[in-house]
Amino acid sequence: KNQVEQSPQSLIILEGKNCTLQCNYTVSPFSNLRWYKQDTGRGPVSLTIMTFSENTKSNGRYTATLDADTKQSSLHITASQLSDSASYICVVSARQGAQKLVFGQGTRLTINP
Amino acid sequence: DAGVIQSPRHEVTEMGQEVTLRCKPISGHDYLFWYRQTMMRGLELLIYFNNNVPIDDSGMPEDRFSAKMPNASFSTLKIQPSEPRDSAVYFCASTFRTSGGEDTQYFGPGTRLTVL
Repeated sequence: KNQVEQSPQSLIILEGKNCTLQCNYTVSPFSNLRWYKQDTGRGPVSLTIMTFSENTKSNGRYTATLDADTKQSSLHITASQLSDSASYICVVSARQGAQKLVFGQGTRLTINP
Repeated sequence: DAGVIQSPRHEVTEMGQEVTLRCKPISGHDYLFWYRQTMMRGLELLIYFNNNVPIDDSGMPEDRFSAKMPNASFSTLKIQPSEPRDSAVYFCASTFRTSGGEDTQYFGPGTRLTVL
């Protein structure tokens, strides 16, 4: 069964600290992996997208890594800011037709001043 | 571009009533998706269209749900009759698929549906 598991479910850190969110998947055949940021009351916004051949991709203070062998990904946030408070969703695309996406449950990140 | 536009933003209705959610995708995008998000189940893909044609509706929970895309700039998701368990946030997203397949879906603000 295609699944995406994220950890932790929630995380609270102080402003300025770094953090890492995890995503493990069993989706096959694998096409690509995306990280989305979802602010409360808004739709998800894409942060990064990685294909099988990519190990790392950055978007400002966000850096995503992908290990296709172990089927793991991480999202590292550097020097966190209050605006980073949001849910972060890992989404894996299975090559089953054009757009079959499998969503993780998300990690709820809270940045405290 | 104004992004993906959804209406209404909030809808409160009584069980048994018909509900219609609306979506205007980003101009030029040829894929449109409808999602449902709940605390228990997270984000779920309901149905998606390519060039106004429904491609995969396997996520539609039951016959009470139907979706249409009469043209490239408009889509509806209808629930008839609505039930309390349909309460959720419904998102519409659109994208333009590149040859490399690295498309990014752009989400609308969502419609928060409450069925009493």
